[in-house]
Amino acid sequence: AQSVTQLDSQVPVFEEAPVELRCNYSSSVSVYLFWYVQYPNQGLQLLLKYLSGSTLVKGINGFEAEFNKSQTSFHLRKPSVHISDTAEYFCAVSSYNNNDMRFGAGTRLTVKP
Amino acid sequence: DTAVSQTPKYLVTQMGNDKSIKCEQNLGHDTMYWYKQDSKKFLKIMFSYNNKELIINETVPNRFSPKSPDKAHLNLHINSLELGDSAVYFCASSYRDSYSPLHFGNGTRLTVT
Repeated sequence: AQSVTQLDSQVPVFEEAPVELRCNYSSSVSVYLFWYVQYPNQGLQLLLKYLSGSTLVKGINGFEAEFNKSQTSFHLRKPSVHISDTAEYFCAVSSYNNNDMRFGAGTRLTVKP
Repeated sequence: DTAVSQTPKYLVTQMGNDKSIKCEQNLGHDTMYWYKQDSKKFLKIMFSYNNKELIINETVPNRFSPKSPDKAHLNLHINSLELGDSAVYFCASSYRDSYSPLHFGNGTRLTVT
């Protein structure tokens, strides 16, 4: 079965600074990769997804992620964060032969003024 | 509005009681899920139904019983509630394809006292 590791449980950053949230996955078959964001007291919302094709994927709110097959990574980046980006971010993976989506443990992004 | 809606939003109950959480989606999806999110934000899949058929049944105590009367509804019944059942329970839906992202409800915060 596929699995996901998010390497940082918490990432504090100042407003307007760049940020990278790291995600590594493990699977014996081809995968589909996703990033979700969870604001306080809400459900998860899709930020972006990688299915195939270009390895650089752009999502909502200025986020982007790059799929790196050789390093089995799918890191999330934003060049300049806002206070409103403070939230929990989850990396997720599913494999082409089942729709059992597995989530990482989450990274708490805190943007400070 | 098109969405995944679950009720109630908050549920406070005593140990030993039986409770249900309801979920409905009007997105036309054919697959629905229950996830449990613990106090550390870790998301664990519990069940998945496709067109009323159970397709994922993780290692969950048999006090938890999902029921899907049709593909737009997936309810979760919990018998003999225990303190450790306290968590946020999320309903989600998607198309059956493994590349389809999940759409989440806003969660039900269950507190067992």
